Amino acid sequence: SSELTQDPVVSVALGQTVRITCQGDSLRSHYASWYQQKSGQAPVLVIYGQNKRPSRIPDRFSGSNSGNTASLTISGAQAEDEADYYCTSRDRSDNHLGRVFGAGTKVTVL
Amino acid sequence: QVQLVESGGGVVQPGGSLRLSCAASEFSFSSYAMHWVRQAPGKGLEWMTVISYDGNNKNYADSVKGRFTVSRDTSRNTLYLQMNSLRGEDTAVYFCVRESIEVVPKPDATDYLFYHYMDVWGTGTTVTVSS
Repeated sequence: SSELTQDPVVSVALGQTVRITCQGDSLRSHYASWYQQKSGQAPVLVIYGQNKRPSRIPDRFSGSNSGNTASLTISGAQAEDEADYYCTSRDRSDNHLGRVFGAGTKVTVL
Repeated sequence: QVQLVESGGGVVQPGGSLRLSCAASEFSFSSYAMHWVRQAPGKGLEWMTVISYDGNNKNYADSVKGRFTVSRDTSRNTLYLQMNSLRGEDTAVYFCVRESIEVVPKPDATDYLFYHYMDVWGTGTTVTVSS
């Protein structure tokens, strides 16, 4: 099992808000980053650090952190936001470069 | 534009070996840590290995430790993954990924925060382990 826990499936009505969570002990000390993956495509970075967005990512995507939980929020979900979303952070090893992914959350836009 | 292109995937028998390559372009390859991430058919992303910007620090997931070796050639701007003793569960799409770091001052300005993130992904190369 992953060191980072995500809900497997989340659905949201078009134009509504959805929050995806990622839980893990490493998140108490290290920020998560979030990736969107559409079917058949490579993942794309959407949020990192303390709510930072790459320039090409719409501002309806935002992130937050509290204790052992990182969250990704989509405010006003669009049809094109239907995808799998993965969080990642440091793993348990002593090597600061080690990483681990959550199992992913499938977001369905109704 | 900034790009990573993987190659070397294919079909290999169980117990066999394969070497993947990842060609980097339009950025200073020697300044970045690089990862390999894989995705088995219908499954999620799995982090496998990382190599530091200078090649001196490497780390591996338990699932590939002792079988896979990551390396880099700065003169060729290329990342490699040598895969030995391949198993059926190694069947996956393998992505080469760049890690960036952003340093920001803490709100109280007493220290700095380091944000690590994987900002450039290749399109992946497929490895199938089957007899």
